[in-house]
Amino acid sequence: AQSVTQLDSQVPVFEEAPVELRCNYSSSVSVYLFWYVQYPNQGLQLLLKYLSGSTLVKGINGFEAEFNKSQTSFHLRKPSVHISDTAEYFCAVTLLRGNTPLVFGKGTRLSVIA
Amino acid sequence: DTGVSQDPRHKITKRGQNVTFRCDPISEHNRLYWYRQTLGQGPEFLTYFQNEAQLEKSRLLSDRFSAERPKGSFSTLEIQRTEQGDSAMYLCASSSGTGSSPLHFGNGTRLTVT
Repeated sequence: AQSVTQLDSQVPVFEEAPVELRCNYSSSVSVYLFWYVQYPNQGLQLLLKYLSGSTLVKGINGFEAEFNKSQTSFHLRKPSVHISDTAEYFCAVTLLRGNTPLVFGKGTRLSVIA
Repeated sequence: DTGVSQDPRHKITKRGQNVTFRCDPISEHNRLYWYRQTLGQGPEFLTYFQNEAQLEKSRLLSDRFSAERPKGSFSTLEIQRTEQGDSAMYLCASSSGTGSSPLHFGNGTRLTVT
């Protein structure tokens, strides 16, 4: 079965600094990968997804992620963060074939400091 | 697209009572998912429907939990004889039904069992 590991539970960063949130997945077959963001007391919102093709995918709010098959990683990056980016970020994986539900990591809390 | 709506937003109940939550998915989406999220964790899959058929249930879903989607539109999740360990955020999501389709989440129902 597929699984996701988010290596950092909390990431504090100063406003306008770059940030990288790390995600590694485990699967013996091809996967689809997603990043979601959750603001306080809200549901999850899709940031970006990797399905196929270019390994660098761009999402909303200036975020991007790079799929690295050899390292089984899908790290999320933003070159300059804002206070409004403070939220919980979840990496998720599902299998390319079959009807497997989305499996989420435990999340990374991004705190942007003024 | 009015989004996924969940009702109620918050529910406080005493141990041993039954509770029921409702989810209204995006109207054209044929798949509906239930996830549970506890503090500091990512969403954990509970069950999902394709139209009115319940296709998969997690082993997290004990016999006290039951979900229905009678006409392939809204869904209900019932928890019987609630326990303190059931306290969590219950998230509903819908999608258009392929593995590459992202999930659209509601804002969740927060259950507190006292």
